[in-house]
Order: sequence, then structure tokens, then C-alpha cells
Amino acid sequence: GQNIDQPTEMTATEGAIVQINCTYQTSGFNGLFWYQQHAGEAPTFLSYNVLDGLEEKGRFSSFLSRSKGYSYLLLKELQMKDSASYLCAVRDLSGTYKYIFGTGTRLKVLA
Amino acid sequence: SAVISQKPSRDICQRGTSLTIQCQVDSQVTMMFWYRQQPGQSLTLIATANQGSEATYESGFVIDKFPISRPNLTFSTLTVSNMSPEDSSIYLCSDQGLDYNEQFFGPGTRLTVL
Repeated sequence: GQNIDQPTEMTATEGAIVQINCTYQTSGFNGLFWYQQHAGEAPTFLSYNVLDGLEEKGRFSSFLSRSKGYSYLLLKELQMKDSASYLCAVRDLSGTYKYIFGTGTRLKVLA
Repeated sequence: SAVISQKPSRDICQRGTSLTIQCQVDSQVTMMFWYRQQPGQSLTLIATANQGSEATYESGFVIDKFPISRPNLTFSTLTVSNMSPEDSSIYLCSDQGLDYNEQFFGPGTRLTVL
């Protein structure tokens, strides 16, 4: 079956570092994507991993281990504006071409 | 990055009626997707809109309830038919970027069915 799990909620302090984990079990794998979604807005693309390892983009980094079915999004130097939901999604080409989204993690950044 | 617009941005509809949501992309894209996002939930894929052929629906979604059109490479519509309060949700369209490593979303249509 298709299963993508994330923690439901996380809280962190401004200036800190937070790691949001994502584990997945899908029929096929052709990339893992992270999105940020502020309340009432559409998701915006953050990162893409298809090979194992760490991809860094400014304050955000994303890691992938395909053998473990595991990814994380690392947010450094947290700012209040980082309070949002973070969605992990797997692109699956095993049947129809599609993106399967995880449950999402609501991150609250406290002053 | 692609810019995607949706119309309407929100609507309140009566049970039993239908609503058509339009999605316009500012460039030609191969793949367009329609998602539903219920309050506090993640995104659920309804279907992939294919240009020149019928949409591909995910399990639990059927063409009679959610007919989709894709007349060209920049435009798609999703109709929510014979609505019930359970259809109240945000409906989002998205496209896949040219390098296939990004996905862009429209602003969403917030639908409330009374």
C-alpha cells in the first residue's frame, strides 16, 4: 500500500533548528518533495530529492535515504514566519503518474 | 516558475447543485493535477488531467462526480457535481514544472456546500 507518515505537530523556538521527519512506503519512487503551506494559502515548493544525501538551500536542507524510506527537512535559524505546515510528498510512477502527500506537520515557532 | 490562477477563489453552494472550477497556467504544461484538501488535512489527489484524453482518477473519485476537462496545455476545469456538504473543501490545481522536479499550485478554491 501507499503510506507516508509525518509527525502531526512540532513546536520550536525562534533561532533554533528543527528537523521534520517523513517515512514512506510506496509502490514506486521517483523523488521526494517538501512543501510549505501557510494557513489559508496554497503549498509552495521547498525541495526535491531523488538521490540519497543532503540537499541544502539556504536555511532549509532536505535529506533522503531511499533504502530506509526516510527523509527529513531541516530548518535552521528559525523565524516566526516559518510557522506553517510542512508537507512531504512522494512522486510515484509505478502506476499512474502521481504525487502522494503525507499527513503534514504543523510547525509552531515561538518567540 | 509557472503562475497558476483559479476561479472562483471561493463559493458557497446549495446541496444538489454543481460548480465548475477553472485553472489557468501561464505556460504550456504537460501534466496538471487536481487535489482536494479538507480542513486541517493534507492533500488528496483527485485526478490527473490529460490533454487530449480522459482524466485519470484516483481510487475513490469517479468521473460522474468530478468531471474534468483539459482542452489545451494551459487550461483545465474540474466540476464538482450534485454537491453535498461532504464536498466542502479546498480544491487545488497544480502543474509539474518543465524540469519535472517541481510542482506549482494554484491559490485554491474554497468551496462550502450548505
